[in-house]
Amino acid sequence: GAVVSQHPSRVICKSGTSVKIECRSLDFQATTMFWYRQFPKQSLMLMATSNEGSKATYEQGVEKDKFLINHASLTLSTLTVTSAHPEDSSFYICSARDTDDLTYEQYFGPGTRLTVT
Amino acid sequence: GENVEQHPSTLSVQEGDSAVIKCTYSDSASNYFPWYKQELGKRPQLIIDIRSNVGEKKDQRIAVTLNKTAKHFSLHITETQPEDSAVYFCAAGLRGGYNKLIFGAGTRLAVHP
Repeated sequence: GAVVSQHPSRVICKSGTSVKIECRSLDFQATTMFWYRQFPKQSLMLMATSNEGSKATYEQGVEKDKFLINHASLTLSTLTVTSAHPEDSSFYICSARDTDDLTYEQYFGPGTRLTVT
Repeated sequence: GENVEQHPSTLSVQEGDSAVIKCTYSDSASNYFPWYKQELGKRPQLIIDIRSNVGEKKDQRIAVTLNKTAKHFSLHITETQPEDSAVYFCAAGLRGGYNKLIFGAGTRLAVHP
């Protein structure tokens, strides 16, 4: 149980275009999901906390108009990188907390590698 | 702000030896401390976690200790095996903010046969 999927796994896009990444909890409901960014050989940097039915909470330094987050259902959160530039190239990983789970465990998706040319 | 420091950044051991990774957190309100193992290009996998009301937890070859007063927690891997080679991340979960996790910088563990 507790499986999180992400789509796509890899995407290449041109500078100036927008890219949408989906994060789904497959066998549980997730009121809260998290979006991270990871550069090669570096740690996971929390970008934002996504809450179903409300606005996302962004970490300091993360542009909310650049990284649009929508958590429209209890099993789906999306991250849209708008007007992408080469510096947005990175590994984006989501995680989800099981709404019914009293532990604090986060279940991670497999990640999406974004390359902006 | 919230910060988690992790040491060492790289660790090389011989198969069968023990490995210890240490982390320090800044927010005294943190109450959840997971450890993740990440292989190249893969998602982080939870290997063990501990809550702030517990001082030590063990699962086979892996153990975690927590010192709330000093705001330190450590991962101990005994009888290391080559398949333990990966990057290990500690994290601290904040009581507020939906228990978001702040990650340490990671430790690249290499276990040599």
